[in-house]
Amino acid sequence: GENVEQHPSTLSVQEGDSAVIKCTYSDSASNYFPWYKQELGKGPQLIIDIRSNVGEKKDQRIAVTLNKTAKHFSLHITETQPEDSAVYFCAANSGGGADGLTFGKGTHLIIQP
Amino acid sequence: NAGVTQTPKFQVLKTGQSMTLQCAQDMNHEYMSWYRQDPGMGLRLIHYSVGAGITDQGEVPNGYNVSRSTTEDFPLRLLSAAPSQTSVYFCASRGGLAGTDTQYFGPGTRLTVL
Repeated sequence: GENVEQHPSTLSVQEGDSAVIKCTYSDSASNYFPWYKQELGKGPQLIIDIRSNVGEKKDQRIAVTLNKTAKHFSLHITETQPEDSAVYFCAANSGGGADGLTFGKGTHLIIQP
Repeated sequence: NAGVTQTPKFQVLKTGQSMTLQCAQDMNHEYMSWYRQDPGMGLRLIHYSVGAGITDQGEVPNGYNVSRSTTEDFPLRLLSAAPSQTSVYFCASRGGLAGTDTQYFGPGTRLTVL
């Protein structure tokens, strides 16, 4: 099955700086890669996703890049703000889509004032 | 739309007790799933369903049962709770159309087994 590795496990950046979180996946049939943000005591919320026919996608301060050859994808957050502090999870589907998502273990992003 | 709802929010059980975690969605989604979240482990798939009457196992199914009698509801049953099942449980749903992969998560149930 799919295996997703996520790094780093904790990331501390100064407010206003950029943050980058990286993930690798193992299943070359995977074609959908979402990123979720989870705030304390809440369920994960989708913030951006990318499909395998696209190399980059942007939504305001958030962007995701995908390198299918290397099987890795990254989340980029620019001009970080205190409300960006949360745990971020990357995930990948399993090609066929029926058996759910495989998640990375999460990155705790801390924005220092 | 309420989206995905879960009850209860918190539950404490003794070893060997049984209980059902409820999950409902009002988005007419075909696909529903249960995940458990443990510290440092991310979210792991327990069971999923691609439609009413159809369920299948995920990565960590042992100790859990599911059924899907309606499109809206997907309860998760613990027949004999064990301390290893202490976790936060999330239900999720997504549309059934090809390429509609966006999953929506409920707020979670925090379960402690003593």
